Parts: sequence; C-alpha cells; structure tokens
Amino acid sequence: EVQLLESGGGLVQPGGSLRLSCAASGFSLSSYAMSWVRQTPGKGLEWVSAISDSDSRTYYADSVKGRFTISRDNSKNTLYLQMNSLRAEDSAVYYCAKWQYNRFFDYWGQGTLVTVSS
Amino acid sequence: QSALTQTASVSGSPGQSITISCTGTSTDVGGYNSVSWYQQHPGKAPKLMISDVTNRPSGVSNRFSGSKSGNTASLTISGLQAEDEADYYCSSYTSSSTVLFGGGTKLTVL
Repeated sequence: EVQLLESGGGLVQPGGSLRLSCAASGFSLSSYAMSWVRQTPGKGLEWVSAISDSDSRTYYADSVKGRFTISRDNSKNTLYLQMNSLRAEDSAVYYCAKWQYNRFFDYWGQGTLVTVSS
Repeated sequence: QSALTQTASVSGSPGQSITISCTGTSTDVGGYNSVSWYQQHPGKAPKLMISDVTNRPSGVSNRFSGSKSGNTASLTISGLQAEDEADYYCSSYTSSSTVLFGGGTKLTVL
C-alpha cells in the first residue's frame, strides 16, 4: 500500500527557514516523480514544486523559485522541501504527492502545516 | 500563471447530474491531455477522481466522468449522492513544465 507521511511543519518567523520531509512507503521513490502542493486554509490548491523520476530534474512555481529547493534521498525513500526566506504568504498546509510525470497526482499525504508569523 | 477557472459553487439534489467546468488556455488545458480532477472533503487530502481527461482510477465510481473540448475540461457527476458533497479541483500540466490547479468548486448536495 502506498503511503506518504509529511513532517517538519511548524511556526517560523518571516525570513526564516524550514525543511519538510515526506517519507514514502509501498513504492520506491527513485522510480517515480514527486511533487509538493500547498493549500492555504480555506483556499485552493497551489502547485509548488516537482522532481522528475529518472534524472531528478526539478521544477518550481514562480512564487517559490529561488527560495525553495526540492530534493530526495532514495536510500531513505524520503522527499524533501527546503524552504528559505519564508514569507507570510507561504503559510499553508503542504502536501507531498506522487506524480505521474506530467499527468496527475495519484497519491497524496495528509499534509503538514507551515505557519509563517512573527 | 493564473489559476484555471472554475465555477465557485454548484449544487444538485440526490439523483441528479451536475457538471463542473475548468477553463484554461492553449498552453495548458487545451494543449495537453493531462487534465485531472480531485475531490477533497473537509480536513482531508485531495483524492484523484479523473486522470488524463477521461480516465477513472480503480475504485472511483463510474458516476464520475471527464471530458474536454478546446480549452475547457469538464467533470460530470451523475446520480448525485450525499457523500459527493466536497470541493473539486481540476489540474493541468502546462507548456512551462509546471502544473496549474483550478480555484476549486464547492459541490453542495441539497
């Protein structure tokens, strides 16, 4: 059974950093593209970043480009999102999702809440 | 890039059919057969309901169907049931190698 478990969320001050983790089970992370999607409480979904399967190419939304970095550790079957220079508007629930490359998200984690506030 | 355009809310009575539309441009919805639809109940993670415009994943009721014409994709739910009440989001791959979501549609079952 595919499972995704996010962690690392919390309260951080504007300008601060946070690293989110997504532990995958039931499949090999190295064989699939993965993505991060966020959702502001009460609002819609926003795609944040993705990493391809074979060559680990990375992709970012304009709103986070240059501040966020997606990566993965295949030995730990874990996906990461390093978030720097955080802003209030980055506050959201962050979901990791298994991405059928360029097509759809077939499995989602339960999300981790990030709050950027002083 | 702007979000794909969805009607904010739609409602229907049990047993009826409803359709949710998702409008984009030729660089996203119209340019790729990579439109997908997600159902989200309050406090829960999104769930894939339709992939690649028309495909229904295993375990999803055949009351859910998808289609596309030009730059607009649609999700139709037939035989509405109380448990269908949720938020629905469309998504599309784009020519910029990014992903766009729609703003979401709140479905109310009367």
